[in-house]
Amino acid sequence: SQQGEEDPQALSIQEGENATMNCSYKTSINNLQWYRQNSGRGLVHLILIRSNEREKHSGRLRVTLDTSKKSSSLLITASRAADTASYFCATGNTGNQFYFGTGTSLTVIP
Amino acid sequence: DADVTQTPRNRITKTGKRIMLECSQTKGHDRMYWYRQDPGLGLRLIYYSFDVKDINKGEISDGYSVSRQAQAKFSLSLESAIPNQTALYFCATSDVGASGELFFGEGSRLTVL
Repeated sequence: SQQGEEDPQALSIQEGENATMNCSYKTSINNLQWYRQNSGRGLVHLILIRSNEREKHSGRLRVTLDTSKKSSSLLITASRAADTASYFCATGNTGNQFYFGTGTSLTVIP
Repeated sequence: DADVTQTPRNRITKTGKRIMLECSQTKGHDRMYWYRQDPGLGLRLIYYSFDVKDINKGEISDGYSVSRQAQAKFSLSLESAIPNQTALYFCATSDVGASGELFFGEGSRLTVL
């Protein structure tokens, strides 16, 4: 399987705290993306980091990528109850196939 | 209207029946994908297509077939549905030469009894 794995599987934090989730993958990548999924809905793209980048920011999101360790992390700062969702990493290869991780379920308690 | 539309949104069927899930998009993207989502397993790629004449198998294509009827339409078929094909199915599109961001439909929930 080319699927990645995410850690932790579930995370529960208080509103205002930071949330960090990690993604490990197996193969060489062209880019890595993070998606959000509200319960039972379609996935929504959050941020993309290319294989030659190490860190990227977008609003309250910070993504890091370590290609030597085949891992990425997503940090959500100052979390809000509305951030409650599942978060998935997806690796894109040069063949433009995208393989998803198993997801982290984030619960932000008001 | 949604950019990526999946029909039906929910379907219950019986073992052995033929099922077609349809996907249409108004984004003008050449690339289309079918994924299935199972609890604890994330999304797994079933088939993908980079244009009307290009169809490729993904990780878990056994038991499935697809048809790219037009740039905007990509259908997934289960010729003879079985219970372990019960899942949430997603269609997605992406643009050639762009960032590679995937745009997803709202999903089709299939239950095979």
